[in-house]
Amino acid sequence: AQKVTQAQTEISVVEKEDVTLDCVYETRDTTYYLFWYKQPPSGELVFLIRRNSFDEQNEISGRYSWNFQKSTSSFNFTITASQVVDSAVYFCALSEAYGNFNKFYFGSGTKLNVKP
Amino acid sequence: GAVVSQHPSRVICKSGTSVKIECRSLDFQATTMFWYRQFPKQSLMLMATSNEGSKATYEQGVEKDKFLINHASLTLSTLTVTSAHPEDSSFYICSAKPVGDINTIYFGEGSWLTVV
Repeated sequence: AQKVTQAQTEISVVEKEDVTLDCVYETRDTTYYLFWYKQPPSGELVFLIRRNSFDEQNEISGRYSWNFQKSTSSFNFTITASQVVDSAVYFCALSEAYGNFNKFYFGSGTKLNVKP
Repeated sequence: GAVVSQHPSRVICKSGTSVKIECRSLDFQATTMFWYRQFPKQSLMLMATSNEGSKATYEQGVEKDKFLINHASLTLSTLTVTSAHPEDSSFYICSAKPVGDINTIYFGEGSWLTVV
């Protein structure tokens, strides 16, 4: 069964601090996708990144970086020099990759509060 | 880029009435769409998989007679909450998978349902 765990329910940081959001997943599939989404108060899901299970390269996009480690089934997300606009709920998700379906299994989300 | 539109974005209905939420892919066709529900401060949970031209597949614990899903065309799936009750108040979000693209999925902006 697929499962995504985000152990951090809520994190508060002061602007300019670095913050890492943890994500641990479980799956028996050998091929799968991992995602991070940002959900502002308005509710829509803002896509941040997708990673397939065969690509363990870490990625950096501006202030955002992701660390994918299959050995520990983790896909952590780091925001460098956080800003108030980063305040939101962040979801890590796992998607099936077989067949033609893309069911998503979401973690419980981490609410990030960035204070000025 | 591809857009998935949901309508209405917010709806308030009286207890006992039915309400329909539309999920429309604006510039691509989707044989498969997914409906998720998110209760306040909780994660997104998959409710059902909507298949064009056939019956939806519901996740365990989701009442198919209460949450009617119709996917009558390649660009539209509808979710009807029948005999709504206050406990059905939630954020409903759909996702759509473009035909022929096994690697991409798009989320709608979500619909806030309040049952009073």
